[in-house]
Amino acid sequence: EDQVTQSPEALRLQEGESSSLNCSYTVSGLRGLFWYRQDPGKGPEFLFTLYSAGEEKEKERLKATLTKKESFLHITAPKPEDSATYLCAVQAAYSGAGSYQLTFGKGTKLSVIP
Amino acid sequence: NAGVTQTPKFRVLKTGQSMTLLCAQDMNHEYMYWYRQDPGMGLRLIHYSVGEGTTAKGEVPDGYNVSRLKKQNFLLGLESAAPSQTSVYFCASTPFGGGREQYFGPGTRLTVT
Repeated sequence: EDQVTQSPEALRLQEGESSSLNCSYTVSGLRGLFWYRQDPGKGPEFLFTLYSAGEEKEKERLKATLTKKESFLHITAPKPEDSATYLCAVQAAYSGAGSYQLTFGKGTKLSVIP
Repeated sequence: NAGVTQTPKFRVLKTGQSMTLLCAQDMNHEYMYWYRQDPGMGLRLIHYSVGEGTTAKGEVPDGYNVSRLKKQNFLLGLESAAPSQTSVYFCASTPFGGGREQYFGPGTRLTVT
């Protein structure tokens, strides 16, 4: 059974204080690992896809990295507008019936204080 | 290009009532999904469709039915609502082929009293 565990559950940062969010996963062959951002009352918004260990992707103050067991979302010099819940999900190489299902973690709620 | 839209945005039902949630996408995506999101539980897959006329069960299908009569629409039905179905429901779609991101709708907040 595919599993995704995100830590911490909640993180409070001062504006400009860099940190990292963790996503640990177990999957029977990884097809892709996805990061999403979710604002209160809205649907998840896609950020990154990582496909293989060692891969990195960046977007503004965010950088996602991937190893064989976990992924990190690094936030550099965060701003209050980065406050959101960040979701991690995995897609197994052999997801049921070619469904390309995602298994999601419970998320990390990030608060950036001015 | 509206992406993925969901109607309604909010709904309150009484136990035993029925309703249908509508999801529509204008991106010509093959795959569509219905999730529910509950505090502390994360997103859980209810049902999905790999193409027009097909549906399949996800992780938590009990109490729900779905239909995909047109490629762009995916309907989620509750025949006899229960308080345990109080949740936020999200629809998502993705093009054919693995490793592609899913695009999510804005959600429907359903309360069953």
